[in-house]
Amino acid sequence: DTAVSQTPKYLVTQMGNDKSIKCEQNLGHDTMYWYKQDSKKFLKIMFSYNNKELIINETVPNRFSPKSPDKAHLNLHINSLELGDSAVYFCASSQVGGASYEQYFGPGTRLTVT
Amino acid sequence: DQQVKQNSPSLSVQEGRISILNCDYTNSMFDYFLWYKKYPAEGPTFLISISSIKDKNEDGRFTVFLNKSAKHLSLHIVPSQPGDSAVYFCAAKAGNNRKLIWGLGTSLAVNP
Repeated sequence: DTAVSQTPKYLVTQMGNDKSIKCEQNLGHDTMYWYKQDSKKFLKIMFSYNNKELIINETVPNRFSPKSPDKAHLNLHINSLELGDSAVYFCASSQVGGASYEQYFGPGTRLTVT
Repeated sequence: DQQVKQNSPSLSVQEGRISILNCDYTNSMFDYFLWYKKYPAEGPTFLISISSIKDKNEDGRFTVFLNKSAKHLSLHIVPSQPGDSAVYFCAAKAGNNRKLIWGLGTSLAVNP
């Protein structure tokens, strides 16, 4: 029973297209995140939502728009894809207010823009 | 400007021996540190953490040591097993900010 799931796992698309990546967590957590891991393996946070409210918004192009229909889902929509968007995107979740701060990650979505 | 640094990109250890993975940080406001393990084609999984008010935390074969004055932490795995072969990430957070700052990872290979 997957705790944090992402679809699709692989996504190959052409420059200029619009695509979405979906994320769902069944842990009952109230906070969800999107991370980007680039070719240098650097894991960097992009967005975070707490109870459907945006709480972290790093310096990310406007072409990236997160959407949280409810606290169990956080989707990432990307407009006008560029070559530099090729990366692995990870979704994660956590529970605010706990004694620890661990985040639970999905398996990742490898996006390739050609 | 990398606030969390893992200066060894890779480490190779014999099965049964100790693995020591190191992490240095520059931000004195960091108050909580975490170690994650990542296998290829999977997301990172939480391993162990430590609060800045402690200097050691142990969980089975895994122990994390924190030296605040040196802004250094290390993860010890004893004894190392081939299944421990993975990339290990160090991460840190400051205050109520839920944002984790990550190192670049160290690839550990445990040889049978």
